[in-house]
This record gives sequence, structure tokens and C-alpha cells, in this order.
Amino acid sequence: NAGVTQTPKFQVLKTGQSMTLQCAQDMNHNSMYWYRQDPGMGLRLIYYSASEGTTDKGEVPNGYNVSRLNKREFSLRLESAAPSQTSVYFCASSAFVGTGDNYGYTFGSGTRLTVV
Amino acid sequence: AQSVTQLGSHVSVSEGALVLLRCNYSSSVPPYLFWYVQYPNQGLQLLLKYTTGATLVKGINGFEAEFKKSETSFHLTKPSAHMSDAAEYFCAVSKAGGTSYGKLTFGQGTILTVHP
Repeated sequence: NAGVTQTPKFQVLKTGQSMTLQCAQDMNHNSMYWYRQDPGMGLRLIYYSASEGTTDKGEVPNGYNVSRLNKREFSLRLESAAPSQTSVYFCASSAFVGTGDNYGYTFGSGTRLTVV
Repeated sequence: AQSVTQLGSHVSVSEGALVLLRCNYSSSVPPYLFWYVQYPNQGLQLLLKYTTGATLVKGINGFEAEFKKSETSFHLTKPSAHMSDAAEYFCAVSKAGGTSYGKLTFGQGTILTVHP
């Protein structure tokens, strides 16, 4: 089925370890996003990629890096994990900006990360 | 900058009663507005969206929302609650184009509980 695929679904890290969260979409969307979800705070944007070859910081980028590998794939890397990065991470992609009915987002099923 | 405020982190209704989830937004330009639902341990599912045109928007599962520019509101309603509506609901806003490239800003979320 078409959509956004995230891996892994669950991960436990020790403080200081590194890891990469993978995201791929097969809808030919130009834009991709990484959000984190914490209780009572909704979803907050970490990084986004408006189009292949570009990335920009969102609201909470500290401690993260991203790579837009190609049009399909957008990865999120934690170089040195901290307990404050314990969260649920969602990848999303979107259709062209400003096209009315065609404008929308598709979210992955999330990665639940615990840093101990 | 844009922001979203959802009034009430928890809303409790009886089965068959009216559901009203409140959302107010702040945006310097005409917004695109969204409501998402999240069931436990799942990703986000789009309920409905307002981009242009009719200000009363109908979505899935019997939900609807009305964009009121004068009140900067986009409240979500359903005439008769069902047990299966129990979930967390997120209101979100994005700009229609421009340099934001469609970044979504989410509210804090409202957990809806439905009692038998």
C-alpha cells in the first residue's frame, strides 16, 4: 500500500549512543518532515525538506541531523542520544504546496524511542 | 509565526451526545487548517481539512468543522458520539505556500473520552 514507511518501530538506546531513523515514501511527494510527539505538547517539527536536496531546521532541531537521500527517503540521526530525546517520532510527506484539494500530508506509523 | 491553541486537554462525553472540540489559531496569512485523530499507539489520520472555498468542512466518521475567520477558530463537532470516537485529536495549521513550505504547526491535543 502507498504511504510513508518508518523503521524501526521501537528502539531503546543508552545515553550517548547514536542511531538513524529511516523514512521512505512512495507517493512522489516533494516535501518531507520529521516531528516528535511528547505528552501534552502535540507534535513539534524537528527538521523538514521542502524538496530533494534541501533541508531546514524546524522548531526543535538541537541534537538531531537529517539527510534527504533522494526524493523518497529522509532520515533522522541522533548523534549522541539523551534522555530528553525519549519520544515518539513521526515522519510525514506532503503534496505540492498551495494546490487546494491536492494539499495534504501522510504520516508514518511512528518510532517509539526510549533513551535510558 | 503561526500557533494553535486547543481548549481543553481532556473532553468527556456520553455516547450519543454532541462532541465539540475547540481550536483557535493564529496566523499572519490565510491559513490551511486540519484536524487529525490518533488512536492509541497509532499514527495520525486526517479527519478533515480546510484550504479554500466552503467554510463548513465535512470529514470522515461524521465529523465536521467550520472555519470562522472573524473568530480565528476551527472547532470540530460531531452530533452524536460513538464509543469508537475515543482518541486524541489534534488541530493543525499551515500557511498556504510561501517560505514555510507547508510546515504544520500542531495544537497540544485533546483526549476525547466517550462514556457508555
